[in-house]
Amino acid sequence: QKEVEQNSGPLSVPEGAIASLNCTYSDRGSQSFFWYRQYSGKSPELIMFIYSNGDKEDGRFTAQLNKASQYVSLLIRDSQPSDSATYLCAVEYRGGSEKLVFGKGTKLTVNP
Amino acid sequence: AAGVIQSPRHLIKEKRETATLKCYPIPRHDTVYWYQQGPGQDPQFLISFYEKMQSDKGSIPDRFSAQQFSDYHSELNMSSLELGDSALYFCASSRRTNSYEQYFGPGTRLTVT
Repeated sequence: QKEVEQNSGPLSVPEGAIASLNCTYSDRGSQSFFWYRQYSGKSPELIMFIYSNGDKEDGRFTAQLNKASQYVSLLIRDSQPSDSATYLCAVEYRGGSEKLVFGKGTKLTVNP
Repeated sequence: AAGVIQSPRHLIKEKRETATLKCYPIPRHDTVYWYQQGPGQDPQFLISFYEKMQSDKGSIPDRFSAQQFSDYHSELNMSSLELGDSALYFCASSRRTNSYEQYFGPGTRLTVT
Protein backbone atom coordinates (compact mmCIF):
# COMPACT_ATOMS: atom_id res chain seq x y z
CA GLN A 1 0.00 0.00 0.00
CA LYS A 2 1.51 3.24 -1.10
CA GLU A 3 1.16 5.81 1.63
CA VAL A 4 1.54 9.53 2.01
CA GLU A 5 1.83 10.87 5.53
CA GLN A 6 1.29 14.40 6.73
CA ASN A 7 1.03 16.02 10.13
CA SER A 8 -2.70 16.56 10.49
CA GLY A 9 -2.21 19.72 12.52
CA PRO A 10 -3.84 21.97 13.06
CA LEU A 11 -0.93 24.29 12.44
CA SER A 12 -1.36 27.84 13.64
CA VAL A 13 1.00 30.68 12.72
CA PRO A 14 0.81 34.45 13.09
CA GLU A 15 0.39 36.66 10.06
CA GLY A 16 3.72 37.35 8.38
CA ALA A 17 5.39 34.22 9.73
CA ILE A 18 6.70 31.23 7.79
CA ALA A 19 4.45 28.18 7.73
CA SER A 20 6.20 24.85 7.23
CA LEU A 21 4.26 21.82 6.04
CA ASN A 22 5.79 18.37 5.83
CA CYS A 23 5.04 15.16 3.99
CA THR A 24 6.63 11.73 3.72
CA TYR A 25 5.87 8.98 1.25
CA SER A 26 6.50 5.27 1.24
CA ASP A 27 7.22 4.32 -2.37
CA ARG A 28 10.72 5.06 -3.59
CA GLY A 29 9.44 4.79 -7.16
CA SER A 30 7.42 7.98 -6.76
CA GLN A 31 8.48 10.64 -9.19
CA SER A 32 6.09 13.58 -9.04
CA PHE A 33 4.99 15.53 -6.01
CA PHE A 34 2.27 18.10 -5.62
CA TRP A 35 0.87 20.47 -3.06
CA TYR A 36 -2.79 21.34 -3.23
CA ARG A 37 -4.65 23.93 -1.19
CA GLN A 38 -8.24 23.17 -0.31
CA TYR A 39 -10.68 25.54 1.30
CA SER A 40 -13.58 23.97 3.13
CA GLY A 41 -16.15 22.58 0.71
CA LYS A 42 -14.08 23.58 -2.33
CA SER A 43 -11.95 21.64 -4.75
CA PRO A 44 -8.20 21.09 -4.38
CA GLU A 45 -6.20 23.86 -6.04
CA LEU A 46 -2.75 23.04 -7.35
CA ILE A 47 -0.22 25.46 -5.89
CA MET A 48 3.14 23.74 -6.37
CA PHE A 49 4.66 20.75 -8.09
CA ILE A 50 8.19 19.41 -7.91
CA TYR A 51 9.90 16.56 -9.72
CA SER A 52 13.60 16.92 -8.88
CA ASN A 53 15.56 16.97 -5.65
CA GLY A 54 16.12 20.40 -4.21
CA ASP A 55 14.08 23.54 -3.84
CA LYS A 56 11.54 25.12 -6.14
CA GLU A 57 10.28 28.61 -5.46
CA ASP A 58 7.15 30.31 -6.77
CA GLY A 59 6.29 33.61 -5.15
CA ARG A 60 5.76 33.07 -1.42
CA PHE A 61 5.81 29.29 -1.81
CA THR A 62 8.84 27.02 -1.77
CA ALA A 63 8.64 23.29 -2.28
CA GLN A 64 11.52 21.10 -1.14
CA LEU A 65 12.10 17.51 -2.23
CA ASN A 66 14.52 14.95 -0.83
CA LYS A 67 14.01 11.63 -2.58
CA ALA A 68 16.66 9.86 -0.49
CA SER A 69 14.71 10.68 2.66
CA GLN A 70 11.35 10.33 0.87
CA TYR A 71 10.39 13.73 2.15
CA VAL A 72 8.70 16.72 0.59
CA SER A 73 7.84 20.00 2.24
CA LEU A 74 6.11 23.29 1.53
CA LEU A 75 7.15 26.60 3.00
CA ILE A 76 4.83 29.57 2.90
CA ARG A 77 6.58 32.86 3.56
CA ASP A 78 4.83 35.99 4.82
CA SER A 79 1.74 33.96 5.67
CA GLN A 80 -1.58 35.71 5.18
CA PRO A 81 -4.99 34.98 6.72
CA SER A 82 -6.14 34.02 3.21
CA ASP A 83 -3.63 31.15 3.33
CA SER A 84 -5.76 29.50 6.00
CA ALA A 85 -6.83 26.23 4.42
CA THR A 86 -6.06 22.54 4.36
CA TYR A 87 -2.89 21.68 2.45
CA LEU A 88 -2.82 18.32 0.75
CA CYS A 89 0.38 16.60 -0.23
CA ALA A 90 -0.08 14.35 -3.27
CA VAL A 91 2.24 11.84 -4.85
CA GLU A 92 1.87 10.57 -8.37
CA TYR A 93 2.76 7.00 -9.17
CA ARG A 94 3.65 6.45 -12.77
CA GLY A 95 3.45 3.27 -14.76
CA GLY A 96 -0.27 3.43 -15.29
CA SER A 97 -2.64 6.29 -14.98
CA GLU A 98 -0.48 8.64 -12.98
CA LYS A 99 -3.15 8.69 -10.30
CA LEU A 100 -2.58 10.83 -7.24
CA VAL A 101 -2.35 9.44 -3.73
CA PHE A 102 -3.08 12.10 -1.15
CA GLY A 103 -2.04 12.61 2.42
CA LYS A 104 -4.71 13.36 5.00
CA GLY A 105 -3.89 17.06 4.79
CA THR A 106 -2.63 19.66 7.24
CA LYS A 107 -5.02 22.35 8.37
CA LEU A 108 -3.27 25.71 8.51
CA THR A 109 -4.63 28.74 10.34
CA VAL A 110 -2.94 32.11 9.93
CA ASN A 111 -3.90 34.46 12.73
CA PRO A 112 -4.13 38.21 11.97
CA ALA B 1 -8.01 30.28 -18.50
CA ALA B 2 -10.58 27.55 -19.01
CA GLY B 3 -10.99 25.14 -16.14
CA VAL B 4 -12.53 21.75 -15.60
CA ILE B 5 -16.31 21.87 -15.67
CA GLN B 6 -18.47 19.52 -13.67
CA SER B 7 -22.21 19.14 -13.62
CA PRO B 8 -24.37 19.10 -11.71
CA ARG B 9 -22.79 20.92 -8.79
CA HIS B 10 -25.26 19.50 -6.32
CA LEU B 11 -27.32 16.34 -6.51
CA ILE B 12 -29.74 14.81 -4.06
CA LYS B 13 -30.83 11.22 -4.61
CA GLU B 14 -32.58 8.56 -2.61
CA LYS B 15 -31.17 5.16 -1.78
CA ARG B 16 -31.19 2.69 -4.64
CA GLU B 17 -31.52 5.45 -7.23
CA THR B 18 -28.99 6.14 -9.97
CA ALA B 19 -26.91 9.24 -10.64
CA THR B 20 -24.81 10.47 -13.53
CA LEU B 21 -22.03 12.98 -13.03
CA LYS B 22 -20.43 14.78 -15.95
CA CYS B 23 -16.97 16.21 -16.42
CA TYR B 24 -15.60 18.42 -19.17
CA PRO B 25 -11.79 18.58 -19.05
CA ILE B 26 -9.64 21.58 -19.80
CA PRO B 27 -9.32 21.97 -23.61
CA ARG B 28 -6.51 19.84 -25.09
CA HIS B 29 -6.26 17.73 -21.94
CA ASP B 30 -6.31 14.04 -22.80
CA THR B 31 -6.62 12.40 -19.38
CA VAL B 32 -9.49 12.49 -16.93
CA TYR B 33 -9.48 11.28 -13.34
CA TRP B 34 -12.35 10.81 -10.90
CA TYR B 35 -11.87 11.18 -7.14
CA GLN B 36 -14.25 10.77 -4.21
CA GLN B 37 -13.85 12.81 -1.05
CA GLY B 38 -15.89 11.95 2.02
CA PRO B 39 -16.38 14.41 4.90
CA GLY B 40 -13.06 15.10 6.60
CA GLN B 41 -11.25 12.71 4.26
CA ASP B 42 -8.64 13.10 1.58
CA PRO B 43 -9.60 12.53 -2.06
CA GLN B 44 -9.60 8.88 -3.08
CA PHE B 45 -8.88 7.87 -6.66
CA LEU B 46 -11.73 6.05 -8.41
CA ILE B 47 -10.91 5.68 -12.09
CA SER B 48 -9.12 7.36 -14.96
CA PHE B 49 -9.19 7.54 -18.73
CA TYR B 50 -6.52 8.38 -21.25
CA GLU B 51 -7.52 8.98 -24.83
CA LYS B 52 -10.96 7.48 -24.18
CA MET B 53 -9.57 4.23 -22.78
CA GLN B 54 -9.70 3.29 -19.12
CA SER B 55 -6.16 3.61 -17.85
CA ASP B 56 -6.46 2.75 -14.18
CA LYS B 57 -9.01 1.74 -11.61
CA GLY B 58 -8.91 2.44 -7.91
CA SER B 59 -11.38 1.92 -5.10
CA ILE B 60 -14.45 2.21 -7.29
CA PRO B 61 -17.45 0.07 -6.35
CA ASP B 62 -18.81 -2.32 -8.95
CA ARG B 63 -22.03 -0.29 -8.82
CA PHE B 64 -20.15 2.58 -10.44
CA SER B 65 -19.02 2.81 -14.03
CA ALA B 66 -17.51 5.51 -16.14
CA GLN B 67 -16.47 6.30 -19.66
CA GLN B 68 -14.77 8.97 -21.69
CA PHE B 69 -16.33 10.10 -24.93
CA SER B 70 -14.88 11.19 -28.26
CA ASP B 71 -14.97 14.85 -27.20
CA TYR B 72 -12.98 13.85 -24.06
CA HIS B 73 -15.76 14.58 -21.63
CA SER B 74 -16.38 11.88 -19.07
CA GLU B 75 -19.38 10.58 -17.18
CA LEU B 76 -19.48 8.69 -13.89
CA ASN B 77 -22.55 6.51 -13.54
CA MET B 78 -23.57 5.43 -10.08
CA SER B 79 -26.31 2.89 -9.49
CA SER B 80 -28.03 1.40 -6.43
CA LEU B 81 -26.93 4.40 -4.42
CA GLU B 82 -26.15 3.91 -0.76
CA LEU B 83 -26.02 6.41 2.09
CA GLY B 84 -22.25 5.95 2.18
CA ASP B 85 -21.95 7.27 -1.36
CA SER B 86 -22.69 10.77 -0.10
CA ALA B 87 -19.51 12.69 -0.82
CA LEU B 88 -17.85 15.25 -3.03
CA TYR B 89 -16.92 13.85 -6.41
CA PHE B 90 -14.11 15.60 -8.21
CA CYS B 91 -12.98 15.28 -11.76
CA ALA B 92 -9.45 16.29 -12.65
CA SER B 93 -7.74 16.54 -15.99
CA SER B 94 -4.21 16.61 -17.29
CA ARG B 95 -2.38 16.63 -20.56
CA ARG B 96 -0.25 13.54 -20.16
CA THR B 97 1.75 14.18 -23.27
CA ASN B 98 3.65 17.09 -21.79
CA SER B 99 3.00 17.39 -18.07
CA TYR B 100 1.73 15.53 -15.05
CA GLU B 101 -0.13 18.26 -13.24
CA GLN B 102 -3.76 17.47 -12.52
CA TYR B 103 -6.28 20.28 -12.28
CA PHE B 104 -9.46 19.71 -10.39
CA GLY B 105 -12.97 20.76 -11.23
CA PRO B 106 -15.30 22.37 -8.68
CA GLY B 107 -16.84 19.02 -7.77
CA THR B 108 -20.30 17.56 -7.48
CA ARG B 109 -21.75 17.25 -4.00
CA LEU B 110 -23.86 14.11 -3.92
CA THR B 111 -26.24 13.58 -1.05
CA VAL B 112 -28.01 10.25 -0.75
CA THR B 113 -31.03 10.21 1.56
